Amino acid sequence: EDQVTQSPEALRLQEGESSSLNCSYTVSGLRGLFWYRQDPGKGPEFLFTLYSAGEEKEKERLKATLTKKESFLHITAPKPEDSATYLCAVRNDYKLSFGAGTTVTVRA
Amino acid sequence: SQTIHQWPATLVQPVGSPLSLECTVEGTSNPNLYWYRQAAGRGLQLLFYSVGIGQISSEVPQNLSASRPQDRQFILSSKKLLLSDSGFYLCAWKVAGADTQYFGPGTRLTVL
Repeated sequence: EDQVTQSPEALRLQEGESSSLNCSYTVSGLRGLFWYRQDPGKGPEFLFTLYSAGEEKEKERLKATLTKKESFLHITAPKPEDSATYLCAVRNDYKLSFGAGTTVTVRA
Repeated sequence: SQTIHQWPATLVQPVGSPLSLECTVEGTSNPNLYWYRQAAGRGLQLLFYSVGIGQISSEVPQNLSASRPQDRQFILSSKKLLLSDSGFYLCAWKVAGADTQYFGPGTRLTVL
């Protein structure tokens, strides 16, 4: 069965303090690793899809990278508006399997 | 552009009452549709998915059911709610054959 583990569960950052979130996965036949952002009480918002080890994607202050066993979401010089829960998911055939998420709080 | 709607946004129901949550997608045809449940501190759990009208696959045996009466409409139902049915219910869609799923705004269900 596919497994996705995200760490840490929660991350408190000072504005401008860069950090990384980890997503480790076990899947038979990876067909994509996805990152979503979720604000409280709202549906997840798509950020990135990564397909192969070594691939990187960037969007504003976020950068996602992928290895054969894990993915990292790097937040560079975060702002308070980057506060959210970040979800990682892997696709195997038709199904997405999600991790529990990392809740990031950025203080001004 | 495509948009996805869910209603109601919030719902408080007594144990044993029926449930009907609706999801509609605009701006696309023949989407794949999904129902997820999100419990506090846990990942999203896939409940049902559909690749076409009347075609429903269930992931988790439980007292919930799903139907797809129209191409862009997906309904989640229950005849008798349990306390354990409380949670945040999310509908998602994707283009058939594509990879990325897009989520709706969600319905917060509280069963008392």
